[in-house]
Amino acid sequence: DAKTTQPNSMESNEEEPVHLPCNHSTISGTDYIHWYRQLPSQGPEYVIHGLTSNVNNRMASLAIAEDRKSSTLILHRATLRDAAVYYCILRANQAGTALIFGKGTTLSVSS
Amino acid sequence: DVKVTQSSRYLVKRTGEKVFLECVQDMDHENMFWYRQDPGLGLRLIYFSYDVKMKEKGDIPEGYSVSREKKERFSLILESASTNQTSMYLCASSSGGAGARNTQYFGPGTRLTVL
Repeated sequence: DAKTTQPNSMESNEEEPVHLPCNHSTISGTDYIHWYRQLPSQGPEYVIHGLTSNVNNRMASLAIAEDRKSSTLILHRATLRDAAVYYCILRANQAGTALIFGKGTTLSVSS
Repeated sequence: DVKVTQSSRYLVKRTGEKVFLECVQDMDHENMFWYRQDPGLGLRLIYFSYDVKMKEKGDIPEGYSVSREKKERFSLILESASTNQTSMYLCASSSGGAGARNTQYFGPGTRLTVL
């Protein structure tokens, strides 16, 4: 899987939007962009994924650059419960592939 | 609601002991995975299985073995536990088919300490 680059940490205030960036300049045409997050003392959980178009779900939005070399996870209104490590992962289109986790971005949310 | 359960949240074992970590999923998933997570190193894949009785080595299989006799259960075995195997162990599962779209569901983790 191609490599991703994320900032080590970010801070936000409660109720404000948060934009978490991810660079993946070596992404291939069939790689999907996945985001997972890991809350303290829990296993990772799926957040969202996309291929080319922007995606929305109940947790977040994913904005994908036109050249697909970067993407941004958007939390529209951060809550204290969103404090977690956020991982941006590229997945090749192969059956049964494991996730390759980088260091992720540690998001802190203040009240 | 999808569920992956792991047999213990916390486990303390002695060096040289044989350790079994159990993982059960209730989603009829074909694929199951074992990762370990260490500070500064992130999550690393130990083994995965894409079908009953099938297994594939991940990035760090040394010192571990696995067993998958039933579709819902995937066991990680430390044949002779060592202190460098002190870690958080995470199990995950996903459905089969095209991997890129398949979400992995994780269990809560087992924090293993080897003394």
